Amino acid sequence: NAGVTQTPKFQVLKTGQSMTLQCAQDMNHEYMSWYRQDPGMGLRLIHYSVGAGITDQGEVPNGYNVSRSTTEDFPLRLLSAAPSQTSVYFCASSYSSGPRTDTQYFGPGTRLTVL
Amino acid sequence: AQSVAQPEDQVNVAEGNPLTVKCTYSVSGNPYLFWYVQYPNRGLQFLLKYITGDNLVKGSYGFEAEFNKSQTSFHLKKPSALVSDSALYFCAVRDKDSSASKIIFGSGTRLSIRP
Repeated sequence: NAGVTQTPKFQVLKTGQSMTLQCAQDMNHEYMSWYRQDPGMGLRLIHYSVGAGITDQGEVPNGYNVSRSTTEDFPLRLLSAAPSQTSVYFCASSYSSGPRTDTQYFGPGTRLTVL
Repeated sequence: AQSVAQPEDQVNVAEGNPLTVKCTYSVSGNPYLFWYVQYPNRGLQFLLKYITGDNLVKGSYGFEAEFNKSQTSFHLKKPSALVSDSALYFCAVRDKDSSASKIIFGSGTRLSIRP
C-alpha cells in the first residue's frame, strides 16, 4: 500500500493563480479531509468527505473547493490564490466505522507559497 | 460545536523524567479522542485513541493518555521521557454521536526533551 499520497510536494504561485492539490489513498477509506498547518494555529480543517459524492465544509473553507468523485481521490482546488493561503497542506484519510474508525493516516504534505 | 484546547505551546522535560502534555475538549455528545505526533518535515502519525471503555489508553512508543469525563480532559503521559520524544504533539476530537462530524485538532504542543 502506498497509503496517502499528495502531489506536488512544493508549489509557488502568484496571487490570483488557481491550482489543484492532489490527494489519493489506496486503503478504501471512507473519510478524507484536508487541513492546513500554520505556525501557532495547529491544523485547521478546510473540507472533509465521508464518502464518494459527499463533502462538507470544515473550519476554514473560504477560497477552497473540493469534490469526491471516487473513494480514492480527494483533490483540493484553490480558485484564486492569495498570500494568506501560504501554508502547509495535509490530506488525511480514515475508516468512518468499525474498530479502526477515525485513526487518520496523513500524507506527507504540500508546502504552498503564494507571492 | 466541538473544540479542543492545548494550553501549553511548549513543554520542556529532562530525559528520564515523566512528561505530561495537556488537552481539554468540548463536544455536545460523547467524544472520540486522539493523540498524534509530528516530527520535523513529516505528516502526523497516530499515537493513541480513546473510543470507549477503560479510561487509561496505551499507545505507541510508551505513551498513554487518561480520559477524564468530569474534567473533559485527555492528557498525554509517559513515565520516562526520551530525547527522541522531542516533537510536536496534537490532540484531536470527534463527536461520536454525530454521524458526519469532523475531526478537529488542537493547536499543538512542542515537546522538548533535554539530555
